[in-house]
Amino acid sequence: DADVTQTPRNRITKTGKRIMLECSQTKGHDRMYWYRQDPGLGLRLIYYSFDVKDINKGEISDGYSVSRQAQAKFSLSLESAIPNQTALYFCATSDGRQGGTDTQYFGPGTRLTVL
Amino acid sequence: AQSVTQPDIHITVSEGASLELRCNYSYGATPYLFWYVQSPGQGLQLLLKYFSGDTLVQGIKGFEAEFKRSQSSFNLRKPSVHWSDAAEYFCAVGPRGGSYIPTFGRGTSLIVHP
Repeated sequence: DADVTQTPRNRITKTGKRIMLECSQTKGHDRMYWYRQDPGLGLRLIYYSFDVKDINKGEISDGYSVSRQAQAKFSLSLESAIPNQTALYFCATSDGRQGGTDTQYFGPGTRLTVL
Repeated sequence: AQSVTQPDIHITVSEGASLELRCNYSYGATPYLFWYVQSPGQGLQLLLKYFSGDTLVQGIKGFEAEFKRSQSSFNLRKPSVHWSDAAEYFCAVGPRGGSYIPTFGRGTSLIVHP
């Protein structure tokens, strides 16, 4: 079984709809992240969480919100989706116990299309 | 603030040829450095990383990278490319303190011709 899972894997929605993307991990990591990937722009950080009570904005948090329901679960919400949020979304985890920047472990991604 | 540049958007090589993907970074001290690979339809997977010590780092799938402090570079190399190496490659730089959040490059797409 995959260590980091994302649901759904693909989603098509309409402008103005509320969307939730879910991420679960079995790695026992405290740190979790949400990124979006756009062609030619690489990965950009949306939100990150270093433990259940810690939520931080990333580079491009406008239009997004997150919830850390448990150590293993980190959800990303688009309150009112717009077409320029069409992208590939990745959840990632890292250990955080060794100090410094950790190796990140990525889920398979969710391809979101907003019409 | 840290930044990372991957100058090549696309690289095309023939199967069996050698490969070098370029990565340059900007950071006030020696950062943590990573290369990740993204195969089609999949998430990113770590190829190798540099934290300290030997500047030539060996990774999975026969890849290696060399940290050159004087050039602020961390180029990825492979002596003989296989068709299965066709993928997107991302260089990332991370701080030794503070938020520990990495910055990713824009990626280099590797195309392998038979």
